[in-house]
Amino acid sequence: DAGITQSPRHKVTETGTPVTLRCHQTENHRYMYWYRQDPGHGLRLIHYSYGVKDTDKGEVSDGYSVSRSKTEDFLLTLESATSSQTSVYFCAISKTGEDIQYFGAGTRLSVL
Amino acid sequence: AQTVTQSQPEMSVQEAETVTLSCTYDTSESDYYLFWYKQPPSRQMILVIRQEAYKQQNATENRFSVNFQKAAKSFSLKISDSQLGDAAMYFCAYRSLLRGGSEKLVFGKGTKLTVNP
Repeated sequence: DAGITQSPRHKVTETGTPVTLRCHQTENHRYMYWYRQDPGHGLRLIHYSYGVKDTDKGEVSDGYSVSRSKTEDFLLTLESATSSQTSVYFCAISKTGEDIQYFGAGTRLSVL
Repeated sequence: AQTVTQSQPEMSVQEAETVTLSCTYDTSESDYYLFWYKQPPSRQMILVIRQEAYKQQNATENRFSVNFQKAAKSFSLKISDSQLGDAAMYFCAYRSLLRGGSEKLVFGKGTKLTVNP
């Protein structure tokens, strides 16, 4: 258990509304990631962070923004949700000195 | 950019039998990591096994082992003595070493494994 908590676990929202997903870790690891999982695509990286206020884009970052004001929290925001953002979102952390990424339990987001 | 291909969308195996899941990848790098993750219906992503490319010896974790063929860019997962609890989606993943801890995982599309009693 890498001490990762994602909230909410499930969310249904309407097109055009803002949505924020939260990833919280208890072990103060430096690297955090947001992935989305869609059928037929595996998991794809949205954004990642390598420290407080240090973030960068992944391969599917359009329509998403992130923030990391504290080591333990990494927020993913959909400024104006679209139906194409219906997906399962996973947060992951990478422990310093390790090459393994550990995943949270995921958030299922439905945009109607 | 690196790519990971899992050519078997679905596989099935009889309980107690052995099954092999295939994974190939494309990279120009010489040093990297490869992983197999398991995703049961609970949706949790669970690390099954990892392989460092500079190690020639194939990784083994209990009933799980890999066949790593670096020249062929192949990384298959063998599950021995299959159990009902092995039923899940299995994802092969690649991780570069170029940028240290910030490197992302590149995933294949997954193989759904069914275990028949």
